[in-house]
Amino acid sequence: SQTIHQWPATLVQPVGSPLSLECTVEGTSNPNLYWYRQAAGRGLQLLFYSVGIGQISSEVPQNLSASRPQDRQFILSSKKLLLSDSGFYLCAWSIPGTGLVRGYTFGSGTRLTVV
Amino acid sequence: AQSVTQLGSHVSVSEGALVLLRCNYSSSVPPYLFWYVQYPNQGLQLLLKYTSAATLVKGINGFEAEFKKSETSFHLTKPSAHMSDAAEYFCAVRRSGGGADGLTFGKGTHLIIQP
Repeated sequence: SQTIHQWPATLVQPVGSPLSLECTVEGTSNPNLYWYRQAAGRGLQLLFYSVGIGQISSEVPQNLSASRPQDRQFILSSKKLLLSDSGFYLCAWSIPGTGLVRGYTFGSGTRLTVV
Repeated sequence: AQSVTQLGSHVSVSEGALVLLRCNYSSSVPPYLFWYVQYPNQGLQLLLKYTSAATLVKGINGFEAEFKKSETSFHLTKPSAHMSDAAEYFCAVRRSGGGADGLTFGKGTHLIIQP
């Protein structure tokens, strides 16, 4: 069966520090991968998506970047965190072409607080 | 571009009462619509999805939703609320266009169950 792992679950980082959040998927190959951010009162915002290794599309200009060094690994990074980067970050995956049938599966999220 | 609007950031109902969470969509193409539930500090769990088959869609935990094209709505209902239904609910529409598929979410509705 397919599973998705996200870590860490919670993170408190000072302003200006770097960030690395990791997401891995098991039990499938060549998934579409997504990073969402959930900020208080703003719903979920799609940040990045990837259709393959090294292929990253950004949805909004921001202080963050994403990488996909391996087929089932998706990393969210920042060189210098801002206070506005605080939020709940969710990774998700779907099987290409089947998102309508199987839906999109989300990880358990990372709560990031920038202080 | 596709979008969804959830009416009411907070909805409070008594235990045993009808639950109605409203979602209206905007889409230039036939929409594919989803409802997700999020419990505190957890990821999102798929409740149900509409993919152009039956207009009345049944999901998990006794929830259902009806797709009404004339009203551009996809409201979520449950006949009798249970305390365990207290959570955040998100309506989402599938994005269309180039690149990966993915979802655009509403801002969410926090469902409160009164004993």
